[in-house]
Amino acid sequence: GAVVSQHPSRVICKSGTSVKIECRSLDFQATTMFWYRQFPKQSLMLMATSNEGSKATYEQGVEKDKFLINHASLTLSTLTVTSAHPEDSSFYICSARAWHTDRGWDGYTFGSGTRLTVV
Amino acid sequence: AQRVTQPEKLLSVFKGAPVELKCNYSYSGSPELFWYVQYSRQRLQLLLRHISRESIKGFTADLNKGETSFHLKKPFAQEEDSAMYYCALRSTDKLIFGTGTRLQVFP
Repeated sequence: GAVVSQHPSRVICKSGTSVKIECRSLDFQATTMFWYRQFPKQSLMLMATSNEGSKATYEQGVEKDKFLINHASLTLSTLTVTSAHPEDSSFYICSARAWHTDRGWDGYTFGSGTRLTVV
Repeated sequence: AQRVTQPEKLLSVFKGAPVELKCNYSYSGSPELFWYVQYSRQRLQLLLRHISRESIKGFTADLNKGETSFHLKKPFAQEEDSAMYYCALRSTDKLIFGTGTRLQVFP
């Protein structure tokens, strides 16, 4: 249970275009989604936290106008990289906070990631 | 400042040898700590959380508040344990990750 499906797994786009990444919670309702960025051989850096139906909260240094996050439903959150540039090339990962009511605790489940390459 | 430190980027051992992956944290308050594992070409998976004090795949981790550590241990490493391991700290609603340690277990 508590699976997050992330698409696409890989995307190549031209500089100046926009790319949308989707994360869907398949068997639970994700009230909170997190978006991370991971550079090669580095850790996951939290970009933003989104709660369903409200504006995302961005971490310091993350441009909210460049990385648009939408969390319009309890099962879908999207990250749109607008006017992408080569320096935006990275691995983007979503995560959802899932309540495991049968186990009595909440945890975090992760998408499989999206490799974005901007050429 | 809240921070998670994993001092080793790479840890190489032979099969059957004990393993200890180090994790230190900085947090004001009562920490909630996790270990996540990422096998090759797979997503991050929860391995352990300190609250549940469970043992998964032979791995254990004890929270030491005095030393602000949450080291991951396994007495006898297996080849299938080769993966990237991340220590994480929950701060309010979000996870703060360490830089990760790659464990290589040689036959």
